[in-house]
Amino acid sequence: GAGVSQSPSNKVTEKGKDVELRCDPISGHTALYWYRQSLGQGLEFLIYFQGNSAPDKSGLPSDRFSAERTGGSVSTLTIQRTQQEDSAVYLCASSPLAGGPDTGELFFGEGSRLTVL
Amino acid sequence: QKEVEQNSGPLSVPEGAIASLNCTYSDRVSQSFFWYRQYSGKSPELIMSIYSNGDKEDGRFTAQLNKASQYVSLLIRDSQPSDSATYLCAVTGNQFYFGTGTSLTVIP
Repeated sequence: GAGVSQSPSNKVTEKGKDVELRCDPISGHTALYWYRQSLGQGLEFLIYFQGNSAPDKSGLPSDRFSAERTGGSVSTLTIQRTQQEDSAVYLCASSPLAGGPDTGELFFGEGSRLTVL
Repeated sequence: QKEVEQNSGPLSVPEGAIASLNCTYSDRVSQSFFWYRQYSGKSPELIMSIYSNGDKEDGRFTAQLNKASQYVSLLIRDSQPSDSATYLCAVTGNQFYFGTGTSLTVIP
């Protein structure tokens, strides 16, 4: 596609439910990042996939959060047993080059706004 | 772990003035530096990248990098109300590290 595509754009769920957020990166981009942004706050790093390397999961806030990337393309971020503090915009970004962060810029999707009631 | 520091602002400048945004980082091995602009309710978009010491100009925007001082800045000349946004500094290492952003308001 022309850009990074995320779905759903908005998700309202009840506390305790599981949610899945999807990211379809720009074709050919090897690096994929997930960030979380609460209202009026900066970007909080969650997880980073680079090619076939093991993902950097150091930003995941709890074991309720997990992510996978299938076939080096589409990624799914799963939040189990959602809590109200999980409410935020979840941003996905991809980068074009295999050489790592120093060789490419990030292109962001429009985000998935999650509201946990 | 790198630390990227930005003044959160808000920074207000009159239309036509120069807006100066600053960012410091803590890791000397960082190689690439980026400025992203984020309008309210929108995703960040890249406006400048800089990889070597000195100045890089693109239209009304100038990025300045001083690796010895671990300092990167963004100057916006002839500021316009449409420049009102949050500006995020990003530094790379093992991954992208973002500052918390500086909120800029250009007053007509």
